[in-house]
Amino acid sequence: EVQLVDSGGGLVQPGGSLRLSCAASGFTVSSNNMGWVRQAPGEGLEWISVIYRGGGTYYADSVKGRFTISRDNSKNTLYLQINSLRVEDTAVYYCARVVDGLGIDYWGQGTLVTVSS
Amino acid sequence: DIVMTQTPLSSPVTLGQPASISCRSSQSLVHSDGNTYLSWLQQRPGQPPRLLIYKISNRFSGVPDRFSGSGAGTDFTLKISRVEAEDVGVYYCTQATQFPQYTFGQGTKLEIK
Repeated sequence: EVQLVDSGGGLVQPGGSLRLSCAASGFTVSSNNMGWVRQAPGEGLEWISVIYRGGGTYYADSVKGRFTISRDNSKNTLYLQINSLRVEDTAVYYCARVVDGLGIDYWGQGTLVTVSS
Repeated sequence: DIVMTQTPLSSPVTLGQPASISCRSSQSLVHSDGNTYLSWLQQRPGQPPRLLIYKISNRFSGVPDRFSGSGAGTDFTLKISRVEAEDVGVYYCTQATQFPQYTFGQGTKLEIK
């Protein structure tokens, strides 16, 4: 059974940093394209980053230069390092598996990041 | 980026009655490989999104057959043949044609009258 478990969120001050984790089971992270989507409170969904099977990465303009996506193949885990946090980064962050020919098929349960002084 | 526009933004429906949500993209979603990567997601209150429909009309594993998708090019529709209480939530259309510039509609809230 495919499962994605998000963790690492919390309350952080503007300018601070966090590292989000997504532990996967039931499939191999490095054999798939994996990404992060966020949802601000009461708002819609925003696609922010992907790491391809081959290791290449992509970032939305809103997070480019501040967020870094990575994976640890030995732990079958996806990460999102988020730096220089802003109040507008407050959101639930979901990891997601992206399948060729289908799109996002599985989502983590999400982890809440709150940026506030 | 491709802009996805959903209508209506809110849809009050009577239990057992049908519901329909429309989604329009700012440009054609037909990929160079001939496929159209338009999906529908359901997000129940307090839950992560869940894939319902992919490539316009294909139901994902475990999705009840009361959900169906249709459309082509830039205009797409999600239909629920008979709404049940568990269908309450927000529905999003999303495109992967321009992946990695994945975009979502603004969401349609389905509620029971």
